[in-house]
Amino acid sequence: EVQLVQSGAEVKKPGESLKISCKGSGYSFTNYWINWVRQMPGKGLEWMGRIDPSDSYASYSPSFQGHVTMSVDSSINTAFLQWSSLQASDTAIYYCARCSLDYDYGRRHDFWGQGTLVTVSS
Amino acid sequence: QSVLTQPPSASGTPGQRVTISCSGSSSNIGSNTVNWYQQLPGTAPKLLIYSNNQRPSGVPDRFSGSKSGTSASLAIRGLQSEDEADYYCAAWDDSLNGHVFGTGTKVTVL
Repeated sequence: EVQLVQSGAEVKKPGESLKISCKGSGYSFTNYWINWVRQMPGKGLEWMGRIDPSDSYASYSPSFQGHVTMSVDSSINTAFLQWSSLQASDTAIYYCARCSLDYDYGRRHDFWGQGTLVTVSS
Repeated sequence: QSVLTQPPSASGTPGQRVTISCSGSSSNIGSNTVNWYQQLPGTAPKLLIYSNNQRPSGVPDRFSGSKSGTSASLAIRGLQSEDEADYYCAAWDDSLNGHVFGTGTKVTVL
């Protein structure tokens, strides 16, 4: 059974750093991109970027470039999303999602983590 | 910022048919497949329709998708109370070189 299990909720102060995780199981971790999606309180889904676990290459949405860093440790089937200096506007739920791609059916986020709530408040 | 436009809300009584539209451009829907996600209250999104009109295993055939040009739509036939959720369309965008999501539609069962 394919599963993505994310780390637990975090409460941080502005300016602090944070690293959250997403552990995949039940499939070959290096064969699928991991995408990160933000959902601010009461708002819609925003694609942040993706990372290829086979070579650690990451690509970011312009809206998030330079503010977050995606990484992966394929030895433990885990992807990470990190901030060096959080802002109150980073308060949101962050989802990781596996991205499947094939020639016939294109790309889709077929499995999702349960989400990690990040609260940034002084 | 969302690049795909959806109506903010849709509603119907049990048993009715509801449709949700998703409008994009040539760089996303016009040249790539469309997926739909269902987000039940307090839960993570779930893949509902992929490649315009394909249903993953376990998704009832009450849900169907279609695409024409730079627009797509999701139809829910025989609306049920458990269909009350937020629905998002999504597609790959060649200009962004990334995914774009729709603005989301809240479906209410009256």
